[in-house]
Amino acid sequence: GQNIDQPTEMTATEGAIVQINCTYQTSGFNGLFWYQQHAGEAPTFLSYNVLDGLEEKGRFSSFLSRSKGYSYLLLKELQMKDSASYLCAMYNTDKLIFGTGTRLQVFP
Amino acid sequence: DAGVIQSPRHEVTEMGQEVTLRCKPISGHDYLFWYRQTMMRGLELLIYFNNNVPIDDSGMPEDRFSAKMPNASFSTLKIQPSEPRDSAVYFCASSSPRTVSTDTQYFGPGTRLTVL
Repeated sequence: GQNIDQPTEMTATEGAIVQINCTYQTSGFNGLFWYQQHAGEAPTFLSYNVLDGLEEKGRFSSFLSRSKGYSYLLLKELQMKDSASYLCAMYNTDKLIFGTGTRLQVFP
Repeated sequence: DAGVIQSPRHEVTEMGQEVTLRCKPISGHDYLFWYRQTMMRGLELLIYFNNNVPIDDSGMPEDRFSAKMPNASFSTLKIQPSEPRDSAVYFCASSSPRTVSTDTQYFGPGTRLTVL
């Protein structure tokens, strides 16, 4: 079957580093997306991993291990505006299957 | 580009009424997706289209829900009759696998539906 799992909530301090983990099980896996969603807004694209390894994009990095069914999103130099939900999603034959999201709260 | 456009942004209706949600995808995108988001179930894919043709509607909850895409620039999601448990935020998204950004889906602002 298909399953995707991530923590429900996390907290961190401004300026710190936080890692949000995502584990998944599926057949026909094509890649792993991360989206950011602020309260009351639409999800916005952060990253897309197809191959194993780390993809860095400014303060955000995303890692994928296909053999382990594991990904993480790394947020550095946290800012208050990073308080949001972070959704991981499996890309499987044209469609995305989303996890329930991790709500991150950044405190001063 | 204006991005994905959805209307209305908010809809409040009474149980039993028909509800129609509208979506205009990004010009040139040939995939269109309808999602529903609730606190309990997260973001769920309802149906998606490729070149105006429905490809997978396995996420549509029941026969009360229907979706159409009469042309490349317009899609509707209809609920008839509506029930309180349909209350959620409904998102439309579009993508174009042939672009440099590959298969990234771009989401509209959503329609917040409340059924009383």
